[in-house]
Amino acid sequence: LAKTTQPISMDSYEGQEVNITCSHNNIATNDYITWYQQFPSQGPRFIIQGYKTKVTNEVASLFIPADRKSSTLSLPRVSLSDTAVYYCLVAPVMNSGYSTLTFGKGTMLLVSP
Amino acid sequence: AAGVIQSPRHLIKEKRETATLKCYPIPRHDTVYWYQQGPGQDPQFLISFYEKMQSDKGSIPDRFSAQQFSDYHSELNMSSLELGDSALYFCASSPSDRPDQPQHFGDGTRLSIL
Repeated sequence: LAKTTQPISMDSYEGQEVNITCSHNNIATNDYITWYQQFPSQGPRFIIQGYKTKVTNEVASLFIPADRKSSTLSLPRVSLSDTAVYYCLVAPVMNSGYSTLTFGKGTMLLVSP
Repeated sequence: AAGVIQSPRHLIKEKRETATLKCYPIPRHDTVYWYQQGPGQDPQFLISFYEKMQSDKGSIPDRFSAQQFSDYHSELNMSSLELGDSALYFCASSPSDRPDQPQHFGDGTRLSIL
């Protein structure tokens, strides 16, 4: 399984754009990159998933360079409620949809007023 | 939209007792995963089931067992409980016919061992 490295913590202010970069140097060909958000005492919540280039949804964007050895989660105009731990995960997705997630150390994002 | 349901939400047990945690996946999700998250720790994969068969095994102690039933719900059975088993236990589900769909997590069962 590809190992991921991301910042332990990040600070931001309301209204700013936050970019969290994750390194995954030994990503495999069939690995997908997935980001989850977790609030205290709640289950991880899916944010975004991608394989290459750029993916955008209603809450975030995911930028993946051509070599796929890193990825950047971009949160536009964060609010206080975005304070949470963000996990970057890299795992193969089988044709059956099956994929085992290995959580590493996430990034604690603190958004201040 | 329907989410993953876990019960109970909180459970208090004493050492050496047994516990059963239940997970009801999102409708039409046939794959279930169990994770354990200790205090201040990251979630750790325990075990998973696909179409009622065990599909993968992680760091699950031999004292724990799990199964998936015909209605796709799953139960995690824990015996000879130890203080170190105190943790949040999450269940996640995904549909096997939609490889683009990620795992969706429940809000977990908080197990406290006294």
